[in-house]
Amino acid sequence: AQTVTQSQPEMSVQEAETVTLSCTYDTSESDYYLFWYKQPPSRQMILVIRQEAYKQQNATENRFSVNFQKAAKSFSLKISDSQLGDAAMYFCAYRSAFATSGTYKYIFGTGTRLKVLA
Amino acid sequence: DSGVTQTPKHLITATGQRVTLRCSPRSGDLSVYWYQQSLDQGLQFLIHYYNGEERAKGNILERFSAQQFPDLHSELNLSSLELGDSALYFCASSAGGGPTEQYFGPGTRLTVT
Repeated sequence: AQTVTQSQPEMSVQEAETVTLSCTYDTSESDYYLFWYKQPPSRQMILVIRQEAYKQQNATENRFSVNFQKAAKSFSLKISDSQLGDAAMYFCAYRSAFATSGTYKYIFGTGTRLKVLA
Repeated sequence: DSGVTQTPKHLITATGQRVTLRCSPRSGDLSVYWYQQSLDQGLQFLIHYYNGEERAKGNILERFSAQQFPDLHSELNLSSLELGDSALYFCASSAGGGPTEQYFGPGTRLTVT
C-alpha cells in the first residue's frame, strides 16, 4: 500500500530565509503525481506545487520549488525568501495514476507546521 | 475566494443522526472531490465525482455516501453518526477528471455530540 511520510511535525524559518520541508513516499507504481498543499490558519487548502513522476525536471512556482528524487522516493519542498504569509500547515500528497479498474489512490501526509519568524 | 461554496459552515448534531453536506463547484468545473480532516485520521480523500459519475473512492465509510447532480453540485450524506465523525469536511472542484489543480471550498465543520 502507498504511504506518505512527513517526518517534521514543525519547522521554523526566519523571514527572507530559505526552508526545506521533507516528504517521502512508498509506492510500487511508476506513474503517479505528487503535490504540496498549504493550509493557512483560515483552513482553506491551496495547491502550492504539483509534480508528475514521469517528468525528471523539478517543478517550480515562483518562490516554491521541489527536489524530486524518484529513485529515493523523496519529494521535498523548498521555500525561498520566506514571507510571513507562508506560515501554514503544509501537506504532501501522492496520487496514483488511474488504474485499469478506473480508480486511483490519493494519500496525504500528516503535515508540517511552518512558522515564519519576523 | 476559490469559487467553491459549501453549506452549512457549521453543523452540530447528535450521535445516530444523519446529515447532508452540500457543495457547489466553480463555474465550469466538472469534478467534485470530498475530503475529511480530523485530528485522529488527518486529511483523507473520500470520493471523486466527474460529470455525475463516481470516478474514484478513497477511505469513505459505508455509512457515508455522495452524489453529483446534473447541475454538478454535490452532496455528501453521513448517516448513523458517531463521535469520531466529527471533522472538517472539504469539497474541492477541478475542471477535468485528471490530476489537475483542485480548488477547495472553505469546509463544513461537523461536530457530533
